[in-house]
Amino acid sequence: RKEVEQDPGPFNVPEGATVAFNCTYSNSASQSFFWYRQDCRKEPKLLMSVYSSGNEDGRFTAQLNRASQYISLLIRDSKLSDSATYLCVVTPTDKLIFGTGTRLQVFP
Amino acid sequence: SAVISQKPSRDICQRGTSLTIQCQVDSQVTMMFWYRQQPGQSLTLIATANQGSEATYESGFVIDKFPISRPNLTFSTLTVSNMSPEDSSIYLCSAGGGAWDEQFFGPGTRLTVL
Repeated sequence: RKEVEQDPGPFNVPEGATVAFNCTYSNSASQSFFWYRQDCRKEPKLLMSVYSSGNEDGRFTAQLNRASQYISLLIRDSKLSDSATYLCVVTPTDKLIFGTGTRLQVFP
Repeated sequence: SAVISQKPSRDICQRGTSLTIQCQVDSQVTMMFWYRQQPGQSLTLIATANQGSEATYESGFVIDKFPISRPNLTFSTLTVSNMSPEDSSIYLCSAGGGAWDEQFFGPGTRLTVL
């Protein structure tokens, strides 16, 4: 079983739609959780950290369920510029473990 | 935040040769890492570059194939040795305060081995 699993997509959604991505992780000792965004042919960049209480940043909401070892990212009011690959990242030790990423394509 | 540059940005190399990739950070950082991202895949950690000591390699990666240097807190190199076409990939360095802090990534080096 992979340490971090994501649905690779692609998710094709119209502008203005709400879309949710899920991620599961296998190591219950994982300490920190992140969502990174990677545009085509670019390096990954941190989108947001994920806290146990859940957190929101504008149109983006991240949630963590430690009992189910599950992380989610919700994007509301999708924009064309949200088109990218979203990487779920988990830290079971002192390094980052990346999921394979979920590709999002927002169309007009 | 940290700004990271990598050189070269891309290269095409012959089988059996070696390539050294440089990573420069604009500020001193505790941790530096090297990743590989093969086409259509996610990032795989190659090693942690330790300042003043040998790098820590992940399973499947060895020092003879991927020697790493880290002479100070702002610079690291990764060498891909005795290359084969299977080494064709994007190699990225990252830097940060550790796994609990944000990691910043360089733009990557796109390597093609013929």
